[in-house]
Amino acid sequence: GAVVSQHPSRVICKSGTSVKIECRSLDFQATTMFWYRQFPKQSLMLMATSNEGSKATYEQGVEKDKFLINHASLTLSTLTVTSAHPEDSSFYICSARAGAPDRVGTQYFGPGTRLTVL
Amino acid sequence: AQTVTQSQPEMSVQEAETVTLSCTYDTSENNYYLFWYKQPPSRQMILVIRQEAYKQQNATENRFSVNFQKAAKSFSLKISDSQLGDTAMYFCAFVNSGNTPLVFGKGTRLSVIA
Repeated sequence: GAVVSQHPSRVICKSGTSVKIECRSLDFQATTMFWYRQFPKQSLMLMATSNEGSKATYEQGVEKDKFLINHASLTLSTLTVTSAHPEDSSFYICSARAGAPDRVGTQYFGPGTRLTVL
Repeated sequence: AQTVTQSQPEMSVQEAETVTLSCTYDTSENNYYLFWYKQPPSRQMILVIRQEAYKQQNATENRFSVNFQKAAKSFSLKISDSQLGDTAMYFCAFVNSGNTPLVFGKGTRLSVIA
């Protein structure tokens, strides 16, 4: 159980276009979802936290107007990279947390999306 | 602020041998949760083991076990009978009892050698 899917797995786009990444919890309801960015050989860098039905909380230094997050339901969150530029090229990972008492604190991760901006 | 420190950037172990990965953390909380995650070359983050701070018994999951020393704020991972498929980046992570995000260490890259 506790499977998180993420689509697309890879995307290549031209500079100036927008890209949407979807994150779904397949077999549980995710009260909270998280979005991370990971550079090669580094740890995960938290971008934002989103709770269903409310606005996302962004980490310091993350532009909210550039990285739009929508958590429309308990199983779906989306990250839209607006007006993407080459420096936005990275590996993006979503994560979801269930509310089950025996899983308090546990985060389950999607397989990630590799974004390349030309 | 909570911090997680993994002091071993890279480690290697022979197949079938045992290896221990170190992790220390800093918090003023009394109730919290600790995790080890594995990230193989596919880059999928996989939960390896979870420990509740209020439980004194060390968590185990098959070949994976932890040595949780609450007073020392230490949470090491032991991998027994290492397999080639254990080759991955291992991240230690912490979260308090609230609904806050995991705090990750910088990771330890483990290579299992045949």
